[in-house]
Amino acid sequence: AQSVAQPEDQVNVAEGNPLTVKCTYSVSGNPYLFWYVQYPNRGLQFLLKYITGDNLVKGSYGFEAEFNKSQTSFHLKKPSALVSDSALYFCAVRAPIGGYNKLIFGAGTRLAVHP
Amino acid sequence: EAGVAQSPRYKIIEKRQSVAFWCNPISGHATLYWYQQILGQGPKLLIQFQNNGVVDDSQLPKDRFSAERLKGVDSTLKIQPAKLEDSAVYLCASSLANSRYQETQYFGPGTRLLVL
Repeated sequence: AQSVAQPEDQVNVAEGNPLTVKCTYSVSGNPYLFWYVQYPNRGLQFLLKYITGDNLVKGSYGFEAEFNKSQTSFHLKKPSALVSDSALYFCAVRAPIGGYNKLIFGAGTRLAVHP
Repeated sequence: EAGVAQSPRYKIIEKRQSVAFWCNPISGHATLYWYQQILGQGPKLLIQFQNNGVVDDSQLPKDRFSAERLKGVDSTLKIQPAKLEDSAVYLCASSLANSRYQETQYFGPGTRLLVL
């Protein structure tokens, strides 16, 4: 079955420290992977995506993600966290389901960056 | 470039009442999506339009939910009658096309619905 898992409900990190938000996926065929961020009372904002090529994808606001095919993972990373990065982060995979091309989201991980 | 617009931003209704949400996608985007995001969960697709035609409505509760995209631009999602479990954020998204897996979807701010 096509699915996305975000194993951590919440990640806590001190400002200035590196952060990682984990995502694993299960999909038949080539994975097309996305990260979105959601601030309070806002819609989802696109951060980055992996389609093919370099396993390290760079995105908005200094975020990057590493695609690992053998571990079926697509973890989101940032070298130095900011308090303003505190938000809800969603991993998603584009997959064919029932003959349709759907975007399947994980349950989300809340990132809290402390001063 | 203007983003996806949605209105209203918030709506409170009583169960069994009806409600409608409006979405205006990014100019030139052929594909429009409506998602339901229940608190603590990721968004789930309700319906997808390609221009003014429905591509996928397999997850839409058709006994109470309906949607249309007349003229292939704006879209309206309606719930009639509403149930308590419909309380959620309704997100509209658009993309240039759906035919390619790598196409990015861009989301509006959402409408937060509370059914009492």
